[in-house]
Amino acid sequence: DQQVKQNSPSLSVQEGRISILNCDYTNSMFDYFLWYKKYPAEGPTFLISISSIKDKNEDGRFTVFLNKSAKHLSLHIVPSQPGDSAVYFCAASAYDYKLSFGAGTTVTVRA
Amino acid sequence: DSGVTQTPKHLITATGQRVTLRCSPRSGDLSVYWYQQSLDQGLQFLIHYYNGEERAKGNILERFSAQQFPDLHSELNLSSLELGDSALYFCASTPMGAPSNEKLFFGSGTQLSVL
Repeated sequence: DQQVKQNSPSLSVQEGRISILNCDYTNSMFDYFLWYKKYPAEGPTFLISISSIKDKNEDGRFTVFLNKSAKHLSLHIVPSQPGDSAVYFCAASAYDYKLSFGAGTTVTVRA
Repeated sequence: DSGVTQTPKHLITATGQRVTLRCSPRSGDLSVYWYQQSLDQGLQFLIHYYNGEERAKGNILERFSAQQFPDLHSELNLSSLELGDSALYFCASTPMGAPSNEKLFFGSGTQLSVL
């Protein structure tokens, strides 16, 4: 039962342009959402998070938007840089101790 | 470097065998989580330990078991291995028990190949 879905397996964007990654969830009990970034041969690293009481959180070039009514969140990277090429995982948690992850979106930033 | 150490990095074994994956959390972290990432799948939560006690279970098979030792390192035991168990196994740690307001610190994973 995939409660967190990232429907785009890959995204290619030109350097300097905006990258938009999307994530949908089905569990209305989720109250905290996170994005992780993963390079090859490394574990995922935390990127940015948002609580369900907010609809936007910004950290430098990264902004996460949350639309609770649509059960949808997105990650915007602006401007995209070559070092942003990685796999991005969306994750969500409820009152329990389990993070549910999406399948990931592979971002390739073209020079 | 996240500070979480997983060994071995790669493991190749045969069906029916048993293996043990090891994880050392970041210094001072009490919680250890195990996740499985199969091909083209997201990370699937397996189990969570906090200060030596099991806190939560995900979709962990009965053939799999884990424990956290007094020094806080954890081991994931996989037995009667099947081809479908081939995956990347991640360990993660956090200081406290609940991940909802904390980010996980992941190790670099153990790639298990069952032939």
